[in-house]
Amino acid sequence: NAGVTQTPKFQVLKTGQSMTLQCAQDMNHEYMSWYRQDPGMGLRLIHYSVGAGITDQGEVPNGYNVSRSTTEDFPLRLLSAAPSQTSVYFCASSIGSTVTEAFFGQGTRLTVV
Amino acid sequence: GQQLNQSPQSMFIQEGEDVSMNCTSSSIFNTWLWYKQDPGEGPVLLIALYKAGELTSNGRLTAQFGITRKDSFLNISASIPSDVGIYFCAGPGTYKYIFGTGTRLKVLA
Repeated sequence: NAGVTQTPKFQVLKTGQSMTLQCAQDMNHEYMSWYRQDPGMGLRLIHYSVGAGITDQGEVPNGYNVSRSTTEDFPLRLLSAAPSQTSVYFCASSIGSTVTEAFFGQGTRLTVV
Repeated sequence: GQQLNQSPQSMFIQEGEDVSMNCTSSSIFNTWLWYKQDPGEGPVLLIALYKAGELTSNGRLTAQFGITRKDSFLNISASIPSDVGIYFCAGPGTYKYIFGTGTRLKVLA
């Protein structure tokens, strides 16, 4: 039972580089989201999706793009990495029309130098 | 916007002690969720609360949904070393979650 799978687990980027953080879930959940976790800041929502083809911005969307072409996948793209994007990124998914009981991936630790 | 404040921010306790932490909101929630994040892992759901005044247990963990619907409490009884981690409260809004800043727990053997 895979649940929510994130890749890679660790990544180092140079300032200005772009990359895609992958997220896949096998639970047929409609709702998926991306969070970043910084010390003392808790989890802050970057982008979320309520279903294939539908995405919306969260609290801290600048510098990130998302798309949702399938129910299973919700990649997060960093367009031009900046040191301020050094963080731990979590993908989450949940089921149903009321958003409860999110399941999280193991996280991607990103360092931008 | 909605905010969740958790206290304490961190705590050191001796193994075997009971632990209490709380979460307060600037607005009303209809559901409260408590998650635990082990070091190097993603958050995992511990307890979900759906009704004001509700008291729910999961092993040594007990959580309560405050009657004002603006707060929730988590208690851990007889703590053990594997209780170490960050505990988050969360409230679901429309299509998204709002998380507290977390309570970091360290258990001294």
